[in-house]
Amino acid sequence: AQRVTQPEKLLSVFKGAPVELKCNYSYSGSPELFWYVQYSRQRLQLLLRHISRESIKGFTADLNKGETSFHLKKPFAQEEDSAMYYCALSGLGYGNDMRFGAGTRLTVKP
Amino acid sequence: DAGVTQSPTHLIKTRGQQVTLRCSPKSGHDTVSWYQQALGQGPQFIFQYYEEEERQRGNFPDRFSGHQFPNYSSELNVNALLLGDSALYLCASSPLTANTEAFFGQGTRLTVV
Repeated sequence: AQRVTQPEKLLSVFKGAPVELKCNYSYSGSPELFWYVQYSRQRLQLLLRHISRESIKGFTADLNKGETSFHLKKPFAQEEDSAMYYCALSGLGYGNDMRFGAGTRLTVKP
Repeated sequence: DAGVTQSPTHLIKTRGQQVTLRCSPKSGHDTVSWYQQALGQGPQFIFQYYEEEERQRGNFPDRFSGHQFPNYSSELNVNALLLGDSALYLCASSPLTANTEAFFGQGTRLTVV
């Protein structure tokens, strides 16, 4: 079964502090993993995907197959990072068939 | 390009009724997926359409059905509505390739009373 777990529903940090949003997954094959973000009053949009190994808006995420984790990290949080973050898994390799976690609401305080 | 558009934005239906939601994909995208997002939850995958056929399906009863048209637009139909079907329904489009970015619509808020 495919499952994505985001253990923290709410996360609050101060501006300039490091932030880590946790994501663990369960999947028997080789999944594709994504982080999607939803800013206030905006639609869900892709933040980054593990295959690209890219850094978007200062965020990075490393796939750890041993721990089945895909945590999202940023060394210095900004107020504009406040949003809802969803970790998602695609099992069959076609991207648009994702299983999402419940999401973590990140608040960055001034 | 207007991106992914969904209609209507809001809808109120009575228990037992049927509803049809519509989605127009982003230009150039041939794959459309539907997701249900209950309050406080992440989106749940309902099904995916490609070449006018359902390719994959999540854990949803067959009261949920869909259709894709030759222009790649799609409909989601829900029969015999239950109170628990109240949710935000999201449409997402993409090309049919691995690791692709899915583009989401703003969603249709369905309330069943």
